[in-house]
Amino acid sequence: AQSVTQLDSHVSVSEGTPVLLRCNYSSSYSPSLFWYVQHPNKGLQLLLKYTSAATLVKGINGFEAEFKKSETSFHLTKPSAHMSDAAEYFCVVSSWGYQKVTFGTGTKLQVIP
Amino acid sequence: KAGVTQTPRYLIKTRGQQVTLSCSPISGHRSVSWYQQTPGQGLQFLFEYFSETQRNKGNFPGRFSGRQFSNSRSEMNVSTLELGDSALYLCASSGGTPDVDGYTFGSGTRLTVV
Repeated sequence: AQSVTQLDSHVSVSEGTPVLLRCNYSSSYSPSLFWYVQHPNKGLQLLLKYTSAATLVKGINGFEAEFKKSETSFHLTKPSAHMSDAAEYFCVVSSWGYQKVTFGTGTKLQVIP
Repeated sequence: KAGVTQTPRYLIKTRGQQVTLSCSPISGHRSVSWYQQTPGQGLQFLFEYFSETQRNKGNFPGRFSGRQFSNSRSEMNVSTLELGDSALYLCASSGGTPDVDGYTFGSGTRLTVV
């Protein structure tokens, strides 16, 4: 079994300040973890993925995430928010060989000028 | 290379009608998954097809069905439409192991049932 919890449904930051979007997961097996971003009226775009290699994963647009097994977390961060980062972000977990992925409920990021 | 293409982008249907949505995956991708996205329920998995076979299925009624063709293109059909079927329907393709490679999503089909 697997599940994912995004701890904040909405996050608001000022432009130029750090971004932290929190994600906790549960998985019976070695998990793969992903972050996707969805801009309004668009499909989802893969930001980054963790698949048991380096625990600190760098993605597109300056985002990165750290896999912490002891905390079962995979939080998404960015040092400095840009207006174009305003979107909804989804954390996703899958278990090796399970062939299914589970999406979190999403976190809407608002960036204030 | 071309991305995932979904047609049509927008659709308005009347309750009780049926609708067919189309998805063309990235060339070489053999896995196609369908998701329903609504403000209230979020992203919900409908089904996944791999090499013309349904590999996984979500918890949707039998009114929702799909198929995949030999060129990996996929169609999703919803019969006897209900108002609650109004949603953004997203198609996602993968090389075959979405649990490792992740998905590439299309821009979706916005279905409105009136």
